[in-house]
Amino acid sequence: SQTIHQWPATLVQPVGSPLSLECTVEGTSNPNLYWYRQAAGRGLQLLFYSIGIDQISSEVPQNLSASRPQDRQFILSSKKLLLSDSGFYLCAWSVFPGQGAGGANVLTFGAGSRLTVL
Amino acid sequence: EDKVVQSPLSLVVHEGDTVTLNCSYEVTNFRSLLWYKQEKKAPTFLFMLTSSGIEKKSGRLSSILDKKELFSILNITATQTGDSAVYLCRPSGTYKYIFGTGTRLKVLA
Repeated sequence: SQTIHQWPATLVQPVGSPLSLECTVEGTSNPNLYWYRQAAGRGLQLLFYSIGIDQISSEVPQNLSASRPQDRQFILSSKKLLLSDSGFYLCAWSVFPGQGAGGANVLTFGAGSRLTVL
Repeated sequence: EDKVVQSPLSLVVHEGDTVTLNCSYEVTNFRSLLWYKQEKKAPTFLFMLTSSGIEKKSGRLSSILDKKELFSILNITATQTGDSAVYLCRPSGTYKYIFGTGTRLKVLA
């Protein structure tokens, strides 16, 4: 069965420091991968999505970047954090649209990473 | 540009009440609409709707899709305190999966 791992679960970082959040998926190949951010009391904001290695789309221009060094690994980074980067970051995966039946397009989420920038 | 609007933004009801949550969307190459429930951490999947007019049910929750008018509703009957959560809808078109702002439901005992 497929599992998704996301870490770290919580972190507190000073303004201007770098960030690296990691996500890996097991039990599937060629997943679509996603990074979302959720500010307190708000909805899910799509940050990046990737349909393959070196195929990453950015949805919101900001000081964050994403990389996919391996098929099932997705990394969210920043060189210098801002106060506004605080929030709950969620990694998710789905099957490639068109594959499978019924469960196609369902997003499965990691447990999330809560980032506080001070 | 793809757009998803949910209403109401928040709702407070008492146990036993029935609630209706709304989701309207504009998505390129629409394929399906999904509902998720988010309690403390990550959202969990509730329903996927692909055809108009066919109601999906799971216990006290039910949902229906109108592909002509581009909206979906999620009904919860006989609400319980455990239904308190944020309910999110997500239309599925291309690879870009965007969510609505969510409806925050609080059920009082």
